[in-house]
Amino acid sequence: QKEVEQDPGPLSVPEGAIVSLNCTYSNSAFQYFMWYRQYSRKGPELLMYTYSSGNKEDGRFTAQVDKSSKYISLFIRDSQPSDSATYLCAMSGPNSGGSNYKLTFGKGTLLTVNP
Amino acid sequence: SQTIHQWPATLVQPVGSPLSLECTVEGTSNPNLYWYRQAAGRGLQLLFYSVGIGQISSEVPQNLSASRPQDRQFILSSKKLLLSDSGFYLCAWGPGLIEQYFGPGTRLTVT
Repeated sequence: QKEVEQDPGPLSVPEGAIVSLNCTYSNSAFQYFMWYRQYSRKGPELLMYTYSSGNKEDGRFTAQVDKSSKYISLFIRDSQPSDSATYLCAMSGPNSGGSNYKLTFGKGTLLTVNP
Repeated sequence: SQTIHQWPATLVQPVGSPLSLECTVEGTSNPNLYWYRQAAGRGLQLLFYSVGIGQISSEVPQNLSASRPQDRQFILSSKKLLLSDSGFYLCAWGPGLIEQYFGPGTRLTVT
C-alpha cells in the first residue's frame, strides 16, 4: 500500500462548480497536511497548511482533515478557469527518530475548470 | 519577503555530460533546502535535503550529488548524466521542518 494515494483525474468541471479533491494515507504518524497547486511547467505553490484534524478556510478554499479515516480533502467553491492546475496533497510527521520531518506527496490531480 | 531562484530554466544535455543546477534563496537565513525531481506519472521524488552548510542528506542512491557551499545556496551536480536523469528539477526551502516553498524549476532533457 502506498503511503499517500491521490486520484490523478483528470477532473473537468464547469466554471462556478464546487470541486472536491481528496487524498488517503496509511501512515498514522502524519500530523501536518498541505495542499499545493502546480500550474503547467511551474513549481508547486503552497495553498493550505493544516495541523491534525479539522477544517481550515481561506477564501474559496477549504482544507479538511479526518485523521480517524486517514482522509484529507480540499474544496474549491465557485471554481474559476484560473483554478485549472494540478493539485498535490502533501503530509509530514516525525520519522522513526522523531526529529526530522519530510514531506510525502501524492501524485497530483489534474483539474480543468471550463468557462 | 523570501524569494527562491533556480537556473537555468531549461537545459538539454547529452548523455555522459556533467550537470550543475543552482538554487539560491533570498530574504531568510539558515533555511532548510531541498532538491526534488518530478517525472511524468511518478510524482515528486525527494533527492537531497540540507539543514545547514555542508550538511547534506541523500534520499535516493544515484549518480547525482548535492552541495551547500553557502547558507542560501544549494547546488545539484552530476559527473555523467544518464537518460533516466531527464525530468523537472525543483529546489525548495523551508523556514522550519514543515512547510516547503518551491522554486520555478529546471526542465532537464538528456539526449
